[in-house]
Amino acid sequence: RKEVEQDPGPFNVPEGATVAFNCTYSNSASQSFFWYRQDCRKEPKLLMSVYSSGNEDGRFTAQLNRASQYISLLIRDSKLSDSATYLCVVKKMDSSYKLIFGSGTRLLVRP
Amino acid sequence: DAGVIQSPRHEVTEMGQEVTLRCKPISGHDYLFWYRQTMMRGLELLIYFNNNVPIDDSGMPEDRFSAKMPNASFSTLKIQPSEPRDSAVYFCASSFRTAILSNQPQHFGDGTRLSIL
Repeated sequence: RKEVEQDPGPFNVPEGATVAFNCTYSNSASQSFFWYRQDCRKEPKLLMSVYSSGNEDGRFTAQLNRASQYISLLIRDSKLSDSATYLCVVKKMDSSYKLIFGSGTRLLVRP
Repeated sequence: DAGVIQSPRHEVTEMGQEVTLRCKPISGHDYLFWYRQTMMRGLELLIYFNNNVPIDDSGMPEDRFSAKMPNASFSTLKIQPSEPRDSAVYFCASSFRTAILSNQPQHFGDGTRLSIL
């Protein structure tokens, strides 16, 4: 079983739609959580960190459920420019600085 | 500011050849990471360095792979001999220690697209 699992998608939604992605992680010792965005043929870039209390950045809302070991990302009023692959990332609570990446969920926003 | 710089951007070579990928981290960053990305396995950490010292190479697939960081501004990932299954995008990333502790991002280079024929 992979340490971080995501639905690969693609999620195909119209502009203006609300879309949500989930991610599950297997290691309960995971400490920190992130969503990265990767455009086609580009490098991954940090979208937002995920905090236990939930956090929002404009149209993006991230939630963490430690008891169920899952992380979610909600995108409201989706734009064409949101089309990308969204990578769920976890960091363990140890002395290493290793990030464990999910395989990503692909989002296609159509006009 | 210059970001993480990788070279070459693309490499096509025949199996059995030696391949060397290069990375220049962001100036002042003391952590450097090498990743490999494939459709099947996603983004995998191969090795990372702190202050030029390899800390964890448990992700290096086999002895054909080696990585060095001779100084704070340069690292190489070498594959010898290369095989078709090594075809992937190889990313280098760098970060400050304090940035890692505060959950700031790793900064990725543009990647090297490697094709082994």
